[in-house]
Amino acid sequence: SQQGEEDPQALSIQEGENATMNCSYKTSINNLQWYRQNSGRGLVHLILIRSNEREKHSGRLRVTLDTSKKSSSLLITASRAADTASYFCATGRLNAGNNRKLIWGLGTSLAVNP
Amino acid sequence: EPEVTQTPSHQVTQMGQEVILRCVPISNHLYFYWYRQILGQKVEFLVSFYNNEISEKSEIFDDQFSVERPDGSNFTLKIRSTKLEDSAMYFCASRGTGETQYFGPGTRLLVL
Repeated sequence: SQQGEEDPQALSIQEGENATMNCSYKTSINNLQWYRQNSGRGLVHLILIRSNEREKHSGRLRVTLDTSKKSSSLLITASRAADTASYFCATGRLNAGNNRKLIWGLGTSLAVNP
Repeated sequence: EPEVTQTPSHQVTQMGQEVILRCVPISNHLYFYWYRQILGQKVEFLVSFYNNEISEKSEIFDDQFSVERPDGSNFTLKIRSTKLEDSAMYFCASRGTGETQYFGPGTRLLVL
């Protein structure tokens, strides 16, 4: 699989349900970030988890990181129709110096039905 | 809350024409990036810029591309002679001393 591959590619759920999206990566990372993109719009930063962290919470978001499996998950609890968007994981490499470029996955397209 | 801005939001150009995409990063940030996203594809890194020079560029960032920070606030991406395959959404991002990159709303470029 390619760096930062998410699955599922598309997810459709009912409002109020939880949504779980997964991301896998290949190389050693310094951090992993999740972003959200509404259709055709900009990338909004959601949460960053460092390589030495295992779990992080922000409001209804919960992110886990398993560096042994090179994978991360994003859980959105009690989803709302407004959560409908594409969700991307992006990894920051280890020892990237001043660059810190992000490597992106294809994203998960989440549809939350009212 | 400070944010990254980009202009224009949309640009349509003819193949072979030059385009300049403009970005105003967050004011105290030091690291600047351009990424692009072709419709339906991954976001791709183009170039990073720090201390008035390119720190890394991707294979996509060939001689047709250049970046500049002409003053204390703007960060521009120039495509000298656009090709059809340059049609994409172009995102500027900036970073301070932390790891988080903050993205602008993007410029949708269409090359005809």
